[in-house]
Amino acid sequence: QVQLVQSGPEVKKPGASVRVSCRASGYSFTGFYIHWVRQAPGQGLQHMGWINPINGVTNYLQSGVTLTRDKSINTAYLDLSGLGSDDTAVFYCARSAWLQTPLDSWGQGTLVTVSS
Amino acid sequence: EIVLTQSPGTLSLSPGERATLSCRASQSVSSSYLAWYQQKPGQAPRLLIYGESGRATGIPDRFSGSGSGTDFTLTISRLEPEDFAVYYCQQYGSSWTFGQGTKVEIK
Repeated sequence: QVQLVQSGPEVKKPGASVRVSCRASGYSFTGFYIHWVRQAPGQGLQHMGWINPINGVTNYLQSGVTLTRDKSINTAYLDLSGLGSDDTAVFYCARSAWLQTPLDSWGQGTLVTVSS
Repeated sequence: EIVLTQSPGTLSLSPGERATLSCRASQSVSSSYLAWYQQKPGQAPRLLIYGESGRATGIPDRFSGSGSGTDFTLTISRLEPEDFAVYYCQQYGSSWTFGQGTKVEIK
């Protein structure tokens, strides 16, 4: 079955960087876009951006965010740099068939805590 | 950016009752590009409804979506105990934005 499995929770100090991974299985990794969605504690969902695994083309709004992928291991990555305390959140990866289709499968989420 | 505003913020209902959740867009959204998600505490969101009225795999038919233009509705015909959760609308026709969510709680 389709699965997106994310890396485990992280605790980082302000100013540090973090990498969150999202490993896909049960489908063709290059056949679906991977999106990243942020959820701050007790808050709603915020779409951060997407990556096309076929060619690595990305679209994301925030500075300090980098989206990459490794096709050889069916994995997408979210890199966050210059972390601040307001970056504490759960980050989800999710897939869509095209840019104008919904997010039909989600990872379990990765909590990133930024604290001194 | 298209802003989605959901109402009410919280809906207090009893099992068996009908739930009607609203999602209003700041500008017109094609109904083909509007989706609804359910999120339970500690879990990832789950796709419920997409497009004109499509239900995601495994979603029971008590969930239905309707609307057009700037006003959309998610209806749960008869609430089951497992339906108490937070629901988000999302548009994916012009970039990607979510509403702020509606919590459906047990009365």
